This record gives sequence, C-alpha cells and structure tokens, in this order.
Amino acid sequence: GPKVLQIPSHQIIDMGQMVTLNCDPVSNHLYFYWYKQILGQQMEFLVNFYNGKVMEKSKLFKDQFSVERPDGSYFTLKIQPTALEDSAVYFCASSLGLGGRYAEQFFGPGTRLTVL
Amino acid sequence: GDSVTQTEGQVALSEEDFLTIHCNYSASGYPALFWYVQYPGEGPQFLFRASRDKEKGSSRGFEATYDKGTTSFHLRKASVQESDSAVYYCALGSNSGTYQRFGTGTKLQVVP
Repeated sequence: GPKVLQIPSHQIIDMGQMVTLNCDPVSNHLYFYWYKQILGQQMEFLVNFYNGKVMEKSKLFKDQFSVERPDGSYFTLKIQPTALEDSAVYFCASSLGLGGRYAEQFFGPGTRLTVL
Repeated sequence: GDSVTQTEGQVALSEEDFLTIHCNYSASGYPALFWYVQYPGEGPQFLFRASRDKEKGSSRGFEATYDKGTTSFHLRKASVQESDSAVYYCALGSNSGTYQRFGTGTKLQVVP
C-alpha cells in the first residue's frame, strides 16, 4: 500500500541546535500532518498543512517550530532552537482529504529525536 | 476539551481468545471515530472508522460499533491470532475535522 517515509529514523542533537525532520508523503496526497509522541504518552497533534499553508496548529506547536514543503519535495518540520522537552518520536502523516472525519491518514514510521 | 480514553494499557490473550479493547470518548455532536494498529518499528495503520450512531466499522476481522448513548467505540475480534500482537489506538476526529486526537494505546500480546 501507499507509504510515508521519514528521514532520519533517529536524530541526536544538543540542546539549542537546529534540527530538520523530513517526511516524504504519499505522492498524490494533499494534506500533511505532524504528530508528537513522548515516550509512554499518547500521540498528539502538532500541525497540519495544505496548499502551502498551515491550516491548524496545537498549543504544542511552539514558535520555535516551523513547517514547509517547498516545490512538492519533502514536508519538513524544523525546530530552532531545540529544547530538552522536544525529545520525542515525531510522526508524519498524509491524506488525500481532510483527516479529521472521512479521509484515512497514512503515517510514517516516525523519527526519534533525542535532545541532550 | 474533547478526549478519548482507552482503559486498558496492556492486554494478554491466548490464540483464539475473544478480544475487547475499550474506547470511550468525550465530545459534542457526532465526531468521527477511528481505530489504528501499530506494529513495532512502524507508524499507526488505519483499521476503520465510523461517524454515525450505530454505524459499524470493520476490517481484518476487527470491528467496532459507534454508540452515542454510551459514548463508546470498543474494538472487538472473535478469535485473535499471534500476528494480531500490536498496539491499538482509538482516535477521535477533531471539532474542526482537520486532525485526529489519539488515545494512549493498548498493547495486545497474543501467545500461541
């Protein structure tokens, strides 16, 4: 079936540095999402993105976070600067339609980010 | 705010046992409800959804019925197999309809 890829699978970074998480969504999908899962906790919505713009973001999407998908390439989540509480697994997802009601979201395997 | 609760953190069963994983939600109206399955090293995979009272979703032998009265969407399977061992997530569509709110997940372990 359709697959979402995430690069890298693991990233270790020092607090205060910048990190970019990359997502290669399903090719014909239009909506893109980032979710954050801290170890032992539930997966929580960060942001969704459509037509080059952020549609909605949660309280967890701090000012240090940004997303973009330049020219249909990777959908990226950038954190600058990173903080200790950013350590988590970040899941990217994509869907053909809006993911909150009818459309199936396809998830990548996640990027495990460790901030030291 | 809206929320979804899975009461079982872990469930251990033998093959051919009956499975129930409980999911209750708190939200107004008729939010969409979803079940996902996650295998080790992978992201969550969509199982099925429902969006109306009494609607049944099903896939791969799993099923759940949307119950507005008890605000529940419990996952059931009549006879589990070892290959069903995974983490199962219940999710609730957001008010805005643009994302999903996930439960804490239930780890199912099935032994032969």
